[in-house]
Amino acid sequence: AQKVTQAQTEISVVEKEDVTLDCVYETRDTTYYLFWYKQPPSGELVFLIRRNSFDEQNEISGRYSWNFQKSTSSFNFTITASQVVDSAVYFCALSEEVGGATNKLIFGTGTLLAVQP
Amino acid sequence: EPEVTQTPSHQVTQMGQEVILRCVPISNHLYFYWYRQILGQKVEFLVSFYNNEISEKSEIFDDQFSVERPDGSNFTLKIRSTKLEDSAMYFCASKRFKGGTDTQYFGPGTRLTVL
Repeated sequence: AQKVTQAQTEISVVEKEDVTLDCVYETRDTTYYLFWYKQPPSGELVFLIRRNSFDEQNEISGRYSWNFQKSTSSFNFTITASQVVDSAVYFCALSEEVGGATNKLIFGTGTLLAVQP
Repeated sequence: EPEVTQTPSHQVTQMGQEVILRCVPISNHLYFYWYRQILGQKVEFLVSFYNNEISEKSEIFDDQFSVERPDGSNFTLKIRSTKLEDSAMYFCASKRFKGGTDTQYFGPGTRLTVL
């Protein structure tokens, strides 16, 4: 069965600290996709990144970086030098390729990140 | 930049009433979705729609729910007889291509409050 676990419910850091958000997934599919979405206090879901299961190369985008490790079924997200504007709920999500039918997203429970000034 | 839009942003209704939530997906997208997020909880898949028919639905999507693409631009979610537990944020999403290599883009959501 497909499942996404975000064990950290809430994280509080002080501005300029680095913070890592953990994501562990379960899937039987050999082809799958992993996502991170940001949900700021205003409520919308903002796409951050998509990775496919064949590409384990880590990615960096500005202050954001992602570490994908198939061996541990993890797709962790690090924010370097956090800022108050990073305060949000962050969701990790999984999509399987089985049949290519819908590719629905299976979300984790989210991690609330609070960055204090 | 094209975006998914949803109306209304907030809907308040009485239990037992019908509501229709509206979405305008990105214009060249072909795959449409509805998700639900009960306050403080995770986002849950409701239904996917392609080529004018439902391609998959979750256990949540029972007979009280229906979806429709009445014209070339709108995508609607109808709840026939709302219950208190239907109170949630409802997100519409769309993507262009089949397969997981494409990203679903979400609308801003409609907050439904059932009294």
